[in-house]
Amino acid sequence: KQEVTQIPAALSVPEGENLVLNCSFTDSAIYNLQWFRQDPGKGLTSLLLIQSSQREQTSGRLNASLDKSSGRSTLYIAASQPGDSATYLCAAWDTGNQFYFGTGTSLTVIP
Amino acid sequence: KAGVTQTPRYLIKTRGQQVTLSCSPISGHRSVSWYQQTPGQGLQFLFEYFSETQRNKGNFPGRFSGRQFSNSRSEMNVSTLELGDSALYLCASSLAFRLVDTQYFGPGTRLTVL
Repeated sequence: KQEVTQIPAALSVPEGENLVLNCSFTDSAIYNLQWFRQDPGKGLTSLLLIQSSQREQTSGRLNASLDKSSGRSTLYIAASQPGDSATYLCAAWDTGNQFYFGTGTSLTVIP
Repeated sequence: KAGVTQTPRYLIKTRGQQVTLSCSPISGHRSVSWYQQTPGQGLQFLFEYFSETQRNKGNFPGRFSGRQFSNSRSEMNVSTLELGDSALYLCASSLAFRLVDTQYFGPGTRLTVL
């Protein structure tokens, strides 16, 4: 069974800092890996989707990379802002047709 | 374009009852997926529907079922409710099958089982 882990569970940084969130998965047989953010009491917002054949995706200040061989993905956030404060989740859609979410990283950006 | 809508937003039921949740996808989206979110288990995949057919199913008991209509709207049903079914239920829609496309999530239905 696929296990998706995110470290750290919580992160607090000053505004303007660049930061990296980590996501690890145990089974490299995945179709894609997605990053989401969840604001308190709300649904999820899709940030980036990386297909298994891709190495990275970029959207604005966000860059996500995927290394299937090592079972890792990272989400890089440049020049963090208070509005980036949220819980960030990664999720892997594996070839067993199951979708597994990570445990999440709660990010606080301090003004 | 309107987003994904879920009704009702909040629901309180008692053990043993059944409940039906509704999800209306973004216009033109044919895939609808359902998820359960609890503090203890996090987010878990329930099932995915595409063109009125269940394509994939997560590891949940048969008490959890769903269906999709010809207009892509989807319903999820939970029978014989248990206290552990208390959760935020999220649905998401996307254009393509197999979740190869970006998913758009609704705000969720908060179910409380007493």
